[in-house]
Amino acid sequence: KAGVTQTPRYLIKTRGQQVTLSCSPISGHRSVSWYQQTPGQGLQFLFEYFSETQRNKGNFPGRFSGRQFSNSRSEMNVSTLELGDSALYLCASSLVPGLDNSPLHFGNGTRLTVT
Amino acid sequence: DQQVKQNSPSLSVQEGRISILNCDYTNSMFDYFLWYKKYPAEGPTFLISISSIKDKNEDGRFTVFLNKSAKHLSLHIVPSQPGDSAVYFCAASGGNNRLAFGKGNQVVVIP
Repeated sequence: KAGVTQTPRYLIKTRGQQVTLSCSPISGHRSVSWYQQTPGQGLQFLFEYFSETQRNKGNFPGRFSGRQFSNSRSEMNVSTLELGDSALYLCASSLVPGLDNSPLHFGNGTRLTVT
Repeated sequence: DQQVKQNSPSLSVQEGRISILNCDYTNSMFDYFLWYKKYPAEGPTFLISISSIKDKNEDGRFTVFLNKSAKHLSLHIVPSQPGDSAVYFCAASGGNNRLAFGKGNQVVVIP
């Protein structure tokens, strides 16, 4: 079974631009979550989607947004990029929301560098 | 505010010996706890989890212990193997997929 697939693996953008990251969950998984990893803050929750609906949102500004499609694939968008947005963005999927017997499985991430 | 804390950022252990990683949390609403392992350039890999109704869960060489009164959990790896060298993250949740992660412990297993 293929794992969580994130594209692209690496991305370089300049301040003020916008970026879209893509995530394909494990086949059959319907819940997709996004996390940001930075050296200073560690792994921080961005948002979670299930059945094309955002169920949870972390403490990030409105420049960070996402969506989920009917095939459970998800995208996240960051507008008006800032230097501090440079990070590893991780997507994770699970069968359904709620973790018992359905832990999150992570992709290898998209490394975003903002210059 | 860091709700999940992992002290002792790095740990070196001899192959075959026990590795013990500790994690403390502050939010009493957390009821599900997980450990993930991460290699460089890869995403975190799920290792083992424990529900708050248990105080111990075992899976092969990995055992997680939970002390709810102390808001403390630990991961034991016995015996440690060189392939266990990685960063280990403790995570906690209040029953949804919004995980709060610790900042990780680097484990180095010396052959």
